[in-house]
Amino acid sequence: GQQLNQSPQSMFIQEGEDVSMNCTSSSIFNTWLWYKQDPGEGPVLLIALYKAGELTSNGRLTAQFGTTRKDSFLNISASIPSDVGIYFCAGQKLGNEKLTFGTGTRLTIIP
Amino acid sequence: DSGVTQTPKHLITATGQRVTLRCSPRSGDLSVYWYQQSLDQGLQFLIQYYNGEERAKGNILERFSAQQFPDLHSELNLSSLELGDSALYFCASSPSIGGLNTEAFFGQGTRLTVV
Repeated sequence: GQQLNQSPQSMFIQEGEDVSMNCTSSSIFNTWLWYKQDPGEGPVLLIALYKAGELTSNGRLTAQFGTTRKDSFLNISASIPSDVGIYFCAGQKLGNEKLTFGTGTRLTIIP
Repeated sequence: DSGVTQTPKHLITATGQRVTLRCSPRSGDLSVYWYQQSLDQGLQFLIQYYNGEERAKGNILERFSAQQFPDLHSELNLSSLELGDSALYFCASSPSIGGLNTEAFFGQGTRLTVV
């Protein structure tokens, strides 16, 4: 099945650093969602975006819905140990609620 | 806690067998989705039900089937299991369809191991 392209595939950062990741698609989506998955757990919804150009924050997380509607970005500021995990973007098309997921970005914090 | 409950959490079974995975959606959510997550394929959409009716189908094998019951819980049936069916199976639910309140909330998953 289709997957969205997410980059980077993995990141190794130090605590306190800012993080940026993005998600691109060859087709338009009407809703972009960002999830975080911890080992052995289900994805947890972080941010939902509904309009092109929209910028939404959730604490230290900020996500943007790209103006072309074919991409989205997630930034994490001042990373902390509990930010470790895999981040997935997901897109939804109008009238079709199934999620198309990105390939994931694995975030690791180096002591 | 997302409010979506999946049982069992772990399942080990032999090839050729049949298993049933169960999902209780968040209170009030009418739409249920099933996703498969394997190491090399990421999260793949299998099937969606809305208020008891099938709404959308993804790359779900013919050996797999699902249903949503009047109390809105859902079951995913996997039969003639093969080694390649080993994966995490997630259920998700959302309140509605049609563009509003369609954010999906995921359960903790069922880890299926076929030996």
